[in-house]
Amino acid sequence: GIQVEQSPPDLILQEGANSTLRCNFSDSVNNLQWFHQNPWGQLINLFYIPSGTKQNGRLSATTVATERYSLLYISSSQTTDSGVYFCAVVRGSTLGRLYFGRGTQLTVWP
Amino acid sequence: GAVVSQHPSRVICKSGTSVKIECRSLDFQATTMFWYRQFPKQSLMLMATSNEGSKATYEQGVEKDKFLINHASLTLSTLTVTSAHPEDSSFYICSARSPGQEYSNQPQHFGDGTRLSIL
Repeated sequence: GIQVEQSPPDLILQEGANSTLRCNFSDSVNNLQWFHQNPWGQLINLFYIPSGTKQNGRLSATTVATERYSLLYISSSQTTDSGVYFCAVVRGSTLGRLYFGRGTQLTVWP
Repeated sequence: GAVVSQHPSRVICKSGTSVKIECRSLDFQATTMFWYRQFPKQSLMLMATSNEGSKATYEQGVEKDKFLINHASLTLSTLTVTSAHPEDSSFYICSARSPGQEYSNQPQHFGDGTRLSIL
């Protein structure tokens, strides 16, 4: 199957700092999603971004499909941003099955 | 937006009990739903793909007789953990794909998960 690698595995920030999370994938994809898993386990859709750039408040994401990577930017981080950020991709002929990376554990201190 | 409801959110039961988890798409029809398992500090692992009106497709290493999946309608899939044992304790989460012509090009939406603890 396709390999999805996320970096860094862990990130510790002070409130107000900016950060960039990276997702590399080993093959061409039809879909890429970024999720935030909060401490209660809920997976929150952040972006559906197979290509291009999107922004939603303090978060933005860019996917360069031809170079097989995606970036998630978090600006002016807040303690509520803490949790695990997952990148997941879909290959063309897999009925929409998502392949997940191992995630980035983000901790934001006040 | 698309909403997926998963119930129950938490289950604690004795070893040997069978546990049923429901996954419902509330405002859309889902011909395909997915069941994932997540161990602490790890990523999500796909267990099976649930197809409405047909048998589920299980990933390699997942016991079909242990994890029974039924997708009887376009809005409901169930996962039954049969004769559960402590090693089955985990976080189980389902997802459904928004309807669309190009299945792989639609975002997936997740339920809130079920934390299963077998004593």
